[in-house]
Amino acid sequence: SYVLTQPPSVSVAPGQTARIPCGGVNIEMKSVHWYQQKPGQAPILVVYDDSDRPSGIPERFSGSNSGNTATLTISRVEAGDEADYYCQVWDSRGDYAVFGGGTQLTVL
Amino acid sequence: QVQLVQSGAEVKQPGASVKVSCKASGYTFATYGISWVRQAPGQGLEWMGWISAYTGKTNYAQKMQDRVDFSIDADTSTAFMELRRLKSDDTAVYYCARVGELRLSYWGQGTRVTVSP
Repeated sequence: SYVLTQPPSVSVAPGQTARIPCGGVNIEMKSVHWYQQKPGQAPILVVYDDSDRPSGIPERFSGSNSGNTATLTISRVEAGDEADYYCQVWDSRGDYAVFGGGTQLTVL
Repeated sequence: QVQLVQSGAEVKQPGASVKVSCKASGYTFATYGISWVRQAPGQGLEWMGWISAYTGKTNYAQKMQDRVDFSIDADTSTAFMELRRLKSDDTAVYYCARVGELRLSYWGQGTRVTVSP
């Protein structure tokens, strides 16, 4: 089965840029989606199809996908961005979803 | 607006079954599927499978396909997840999510299931 690899944690100072990677074999061939989950809350979709944003998501959230790594980028990080972030793809051959292990973003 | 509202918390004994509901509103129910995702305490998201709200076709994660059933009541726009032969490591928050175009765009609030003797 397809595997997505994320670092357990990323730390960044307020106002700086956070980059959260998601590794997978030839991931550039897949559409990658990103979810934000704050403690005690359900996940919400923040980026879909590699780099698109749902309505209501700030422009500070962006994504890219190349080679074996997709990346969620959060610009001008705020304290309220502190959360767990998960990448997700859909394995069309097996018709199932795959989540990365999640990355905890800490705002210093 | 799109909403998915799930049933309340459950406490079950090992070996029992649990059935969680997920009532959808704000969109045409049959146009999208429903995925179920669970999250054990302190752990990441685990995809359990999905059901087409149009055809009722299901696809389950291999790990639990012999213990789980998804179903749909189209008349009430409600999806159901039943998990049988519960074990302690089934203790988790269970989420339903609307699935379309390979992504989970809207999520329910979650249902906490505790398995304890």
